[in-house]
Amino acid sequence: KAGVTQTPRYLIKTRGQQVTLSCSPISGHRSVSWYQQTPGQGLQFLFEYFSETQRNKGNFPGRFSGRQFSNSRSEMNVSTLELGDSALYLCASSPPHSENTGELFFGEGSRLTVL
Amino acid sequence: AQKVTQAQTEISVVEKEDVTLDCVYETRDTTYYLFWYKQPPSGELVFLIRRNSFDEQNEISGRYSWNFQKSTSSFNFTITASQVVDSAVYFCALSEYKAAGNKLTFGGGTRVLVKP
Repeated sequence: KAGVTQTPRYLIKTRGQQVTLSCSPISGHRSVSWYQQTPGQGLQFLFEYFSETQRNKGNFPGRFSGRQFSNSRSEMNVSTLELGDSALYLCASSPPHSENTGELFFGEGSRLTVL
Repeated sequence: AQKVTQAQTEISVVEKEDVTLDCVYETRDTTYYLFWYKQPPSGELVFLIRRNSFDEQNEISGRYSWNFQKSTSSFNFTITASQVVDSAVYFCALSEYKAAGNKLTFGGGTRVLVKP
């Protein structure tokens, strides 16, 4: 059974640009969450989507947005990139019986470097 | 607001030693979940355990054991007879039931280095 797949794995952007990251959850999983991991702030919740609807949102500026498609695949977008957006962005999905319990299956992340 | 504190940033042990990771949490909710996740060098977090706030029974799974004490707001994790493969960063996390969904608040993580 394939795990959570994130693309691209690595990318480099410059300040002011925008970036889109993609996440394919495990087949059958409808909940997709996104987390940002940095050395300074640690792991921080960005947002969660369930059946194409955002049902939770973290404390990030409006430059961070996301969406989920009917096949549960999700994308997140960061506009007007800042140096501080350099991070590992982790996507996670939840199995049907654990959609409200925090049991998450994570991908290996997309490492974004902003120059 | 909820908060999770892992005071130990790094622990180094020799193989076969036991290692205990501390986790202290803060929440105003009476119903919540606590978790431990493992992050190996490859980057993906691996779910280890979930406990709900009404279940203070300690749990053992192989070489892993967890001690949940509501009175001290702690949820500690012990690896018995550590192995090199246990080297990773371990995260404690909390979610509040009323929030629904999967919004987790993570601690800062404890890096465990097991030397052969």
